[in-house]
Amino acid sequence: DGGITQSPKYLFRKEGQNVTLSCEQNLNHDAMYWYRQDPGQGLRLIYYSQIVNDFQKGDIAEGYSVSREKKESFPLTVTSAQKNPTAFYLCASSTGTPNSPLHFGNGTRLTVT
Amino acid sequence: GDSVTQMEGPVTLSEEAFLTINCTYTATGYPSLFWYVQYPGEGLQLLLKATKADDKGSNKGFEATYRKETTSFHLEKGSVQVSDSAVYFCALSDNYGQNFVFGPGTRLSVLP
Repeated sequence: DGGITQSPKYLFRKEGQNVTLSCEQNLNHDAMYWYRQDPGQGLRLIYYSQIVNDFQKGDIAEGYSVSREKKESFPLTVTSAQKNPTAFYLCASSTGTPNSPLHFGNGTRLTVT
Repeated sequence: GDSVTQMEGPVTLSEEAFLTINCTYTATGYPSLFWYVQYPGEGLQLLLKATKADDKGSNKGFEATYRKETTSFHLEKGSVQVSDSAVYFCALSDNYGQNFVFGPGTRLSVLP
């Protein structure tokens, strides 16, 4: 079955360390997205990519970085510059064409202490 | 810019009650409209969608109609079950299907 795989489901890091969250999709989608969700909150867009080797900042990109070297992969690095990194991170993809929905992975819960 | 407003809840209902979660939007052009559901500890799942005015999306007993005149996309279900307890997000995408805007989510609790 096609879908989006995020790994790991739970991630623990010490403050000051960079950490990379994995997102892989086999839906052949062009567009990929990273969102952050805090408890009881909605979704905030971190970065998105419409095509390989190109990506744009979302609303809360500071302290994060991404790469899009392959169509199926869009890893997110949470750097030590991110002041409050503990959150639930969601990766999503779409065809990038009109009327198409976002498809989401099951998320990675990052805890930084 | 585009925006989505929905009742924030929490909404608490008894099993078999009627559900309405209101959603209104502001957008230029002709957005597509979506409802997503999120169960605890999981990602969002697409529940239903509508892509043009007067379209009705439906799935698993849930329905929503794209009302351009009132810029609304209210979610309804005739008889909720305990298993419907989750957070529901209303969302839109722009004309090009590239910019997505989400509402803040509505937490629904259904009691037996």
